[in-house]
Amino acid sequence: QLQLQESGPGLVKPSETLSLTCTVSGGSISSSSYYWGWIRQPPGKGLEWIGNIRYSGNTYYNASLKSRVTISVDTSKNQFSLEMRSVTATDTAVYYCARRLMDSGRRDYWGQGTLVTVSS
Amino acid sequence: QSALTQPASVSGSPGQSITISCTGTSSDVGGYNYVSWYQQYPGKAPKLIIYDVTNRPSGVSNRFSGSKSDNTASLTISGLQAEDEADYYCNSYTSSRAWVFGGGTKLTVL
Repeated sequence: QLQLQESGPGLVKPSETLSLTCTVSGGSISSSSYYWGWIRQPPGKGLEWIGNIRYSGNTYYNASLKSRVTISVDTSKNQFSLEMRSVTATDTAVYYCARRLMDSGRRDYWGQGTLVTVSS
Repeated sequence: QSALTQPASVSGSPGQSITISCTGTSSDVGGYNYVSWYQQYPGKAPKLIIYDVTNRPSGVSNRFSGSKSDNTASLTISGLQAEDEADYYCNSYTSSRAWVFGGGTKLTVL
């Protein structure tokens, strides 16, 4: 059974960098059939797509976040990561990692989510 | 990229059918058959219930169905049950090679 688990600091100061890692177990991140992505949800609000990456390193980002975001993959650790720079209070959210099938909108496995609060 | 438009809330009585709409443009919903729907309970991760407009993952009740007409996708839940009370989100691929979610719909089972 595939599992995804987010990890990283729960508190980040304004203007600093948010860094999260998603560890994939029960399957290989190197499969050519999938994209691996990040989605966030501010408290009490809706979902926002952040970006995707393939095992090869190809990335796609939300245009509104692209200048501050980098998603990377480490196939040796079966992990992919999110880095968001210059954070503000509006970046406070639950951050989810998820798997999506290529050539499909099937985003079938999600992590449980991790709350990141931006505050001094 | 603007969020897809969903009604903020819908409600129905047990046994009834309800439909949640998701309106976009020809650059997203209308242009691709990559619309998916997610069910989310409070404090939980979203769960995939419909993908690629009409497909239902294994294990999802056949009371859930999806469709699309022009720039509007729809999720229909038939035989409404108390356990269906949750938030529902649509999601679509866009011409910008990005993905966009709807604002979410809160379903209340009366």
